[in-house]
Amino acid sequence: QVQLQESGPGLVKPSQTLSLTCTVSGGSISRAGYYWSWIRQHPGKGLEWMGYIYYSGSTYHNPSLKSRVTMSVDTSKNQFSLQLKSVTAADTALYFCARAWVTDYSNYSFDLWGQGTLVTVSS
Amino acid sequence: DIQMTQSPSSLSASVGDRVTITCRASETFTGYLNWYQQKPGKAPKLLIYAASSLQSGVPGRFSGSGSGTDFTLTISSLQPEDIATYYCQQSYSAPWTFGQGTKVEIK
Repeated sequence: QVQLQESGPGLVKPSQTLSLTCTVSGGSISRAGYYWSWIRQHPGKGLEWMGYIYYSGSTYHNPSLKSRVTMSVDTSKNQFSLQLKSVTAADTALYFCARAWVTDYSNYSFDLWGQGTLVTVSS
Repeated sequence: DIQMTQSPSSLSASVGDRVTITCRASETFTGYLNWYQQKPGKAPKLLIYAASSLQSGVPGRFSGSGSGTDFTLTISSLQPEDIATYYCQQSYSAPWTFGQGTKVEIK
């Protein structure tokens, strides 16, 4: 079955760039109808959708993150990545990669999630 | 952004009880509402999509309903394994947003 796995540094210094990769196994990232997303959860808090990337490279980024976010996809490696620049302590969170699946009625739901990776921003 | 407000923030119920969680949206829409269950230390799990469709593999005691601005998740008979935090999420308008969560505990 399809699985997602996040990887990347668990500790990032303030003002630097947070970089995470999500590896998709058991299925193709290039399958139509799936939007590959990043979602984060601040400690003890709720969920914040950061945006998605489609296998074609088209993206949507949450405006709340302003212009700090870059997402990319590498179909040859079946991976997609997140970069968040100029991080502060407020970016300390559990970061999930997830697959958004679109139904016939254009509803998008996250049907598959990675286990999450904790990123701490600290000097 | 569409704001999603869940109520209650937490609840305590007995095994076998019927539990209802409400999600209210700041804008009206139909069908673009999903529900997730998150257990401690785990990723969220999709329970209900498109307001009322049960995700494959999810027990039938979970159901969803609603349209407009008010949506509900119902657990018909609470089981010990249902202890978790539940989130609603809208996909009517980007950025997709989540409710703040409802923590369900056993009394």
